[in-house]
Amino acid sequence: EAGVAQSPRYKIIEKRQSVAFWCNPISGHATLYWYQQILGQGPKLLIQFQNNGVVDDSQLPKDRFSAERLKGVDSTLKIQPAKLEDSAVYLCASSLGPDSRETQYFGPGTRLLVL
Amino acid sequence: AQSVSQHNHHVILSEAASLELGCNYSYGGTVNLFWYVQYPGQHLQLLLKYFSGDPLVKGIKGFEAEFIKSKFSFNLRKPSVQWSDTAEYFCALSSGGGADGLTFGKGTHLIIQP
Repeated sequence: EAGVAQSPRYKIIEKRQSVAFWCNPISGHATLYWYQQILGQGPKLLIQFQNNGVVDDSQLPKDRFSAERLKGVDSTLKIQPAKLEDSAVYLCASSLGPDSRETQYFGPGTRLLVL
Repeated sequence: AQSVSQHNHHVILSEAASLELGCNYSYGGTVNLFWYVQYPGQHLQLLLKYFSGDPLVKGIKGFEAEFIKSKFSFNLRKPSVQWSDTAEYFCALSSGGGADGLTFGKGTHLIIQP
């Protein structure tokens, strides 16, 4: 079974530039999550999708971050404009459904450095 | 608001030593509890989880964890560690009966010396 795919794996940009990350979840997984992991911290949930609808985006900084999952499969997360404090690993995870007992499967992450 | 605390940020043990990593949580309702592990160069993967029933749960690679409701704790244990257990360990929770994402602790970096 193929795992969660993410690209790019690494990205370096200057502040005020824009950047986009892509995630393809495990086939058949209806629920998709984006997490931000700052160095020395645990992952923090940014947004949760159920199919192509948003379930929870309460911790997404909406003035600069946006995410979509238009066809209910793959997803993109965008930052525009980036700030220094956005330097982090961005993790995508997926699960079969939205039940909070479901196991979430994580991708390898995209490591972002903002200079 | 829910939160997870992992008190040991760095732990160094010798092979064959016993391991216990602490995890305490704060949440007013029913919780689901998880331990995830990230081996060097790999992605996060589930070690074990608890949501009901026997409070002692067993996971992969000989790990187990005990849910103690009165102490709001979910400590991870292994009787004899191996060099290959060197990794970052994260405790996490989600609200019971809900449809929310995970709230993670800051993680514990475990180093096993051969």
